[in-house]
Amino acid sequence: GAVVSQHPSRVICKSGTSVKIECRSLDFQATTMFWYRQFPKKSLMLMATSNEGSKATYEQGVEKDKFLINHASLTLSTLTVTSAHPEDSSFYICSAESGGHVEQYFGPGTRLTVT
Amino acid sequence: AQKVTQAQTEISVVEKEDVTLDCVYETRDTTYYLFWYKQPPSGELVFLIRRNSFDEQNEISGRYSWNFQKSTSSFNFTITASQVVDSAVYFCALSDRGAQKLVFGQGTRLTINP
Repeated sequence: GAVVSQHPSRVICKSGTSVKIECRSLDFQATTMFWYRQFPKKSLMLMATSNEGSKATYEQGVEKDKFLINHASLTLSTLTVTSAHPEDSSFYICSAESGGHVEQYFGPGTRLTVT
Repeated sequence: AQKVTQAQTEISVVEKEDVTLDCVYETRDTTYYLFWYKQPPSGELVFLIRRNSFDEQNEISGRYSWNFQKSTSSFNFTITASQVVDSAVYFCALSDRGAQKLVFGQGTRLTINP
């Protein structure tokens, strides 16, 4: 149980285009989902927290217009990187939490490369 | 503010050696949770353990053991009789109960050489 999937696992896009990453909880309802970013050989940095049906809460320094997060259902959250630039290239990881529990279940990550 | 420090950036040992990964944390909360995750080269985070602030008992799971000491704000992780498959980046993380946000340490890259 407690499986979280991400799609796509890898994506290459051209500079200026937008790319959407999906995060799904497969066998539980995720009231809260988290999006992290990880640069090569670095730690995970929390980008935003999203609760189903409400606006995401972004961490300081994260551009909300650049990284659009939607949590429309209890099993799906999406992260859209708008007008992507090479500096947006990174490993993006989502996690999901099923309400009241402290443990987060992590997805396998999406490697974004912007050329 | 919460902070997690993993001072060891990289560790390299020979197979079958014991190795300890250090984790020191800072928080003003009286209720908090500590975690260890393993990140193999494939990238996915593998959950290893969660410990709450009220439970200072050490834990052993097979070759893995954890030493939680509130007096020194440390939550160290020991692998005994290391194996090549243990090679990965290991992250220590902290969350407060309310926000449930995880704050990660910088990670320790562990390499087990045959």
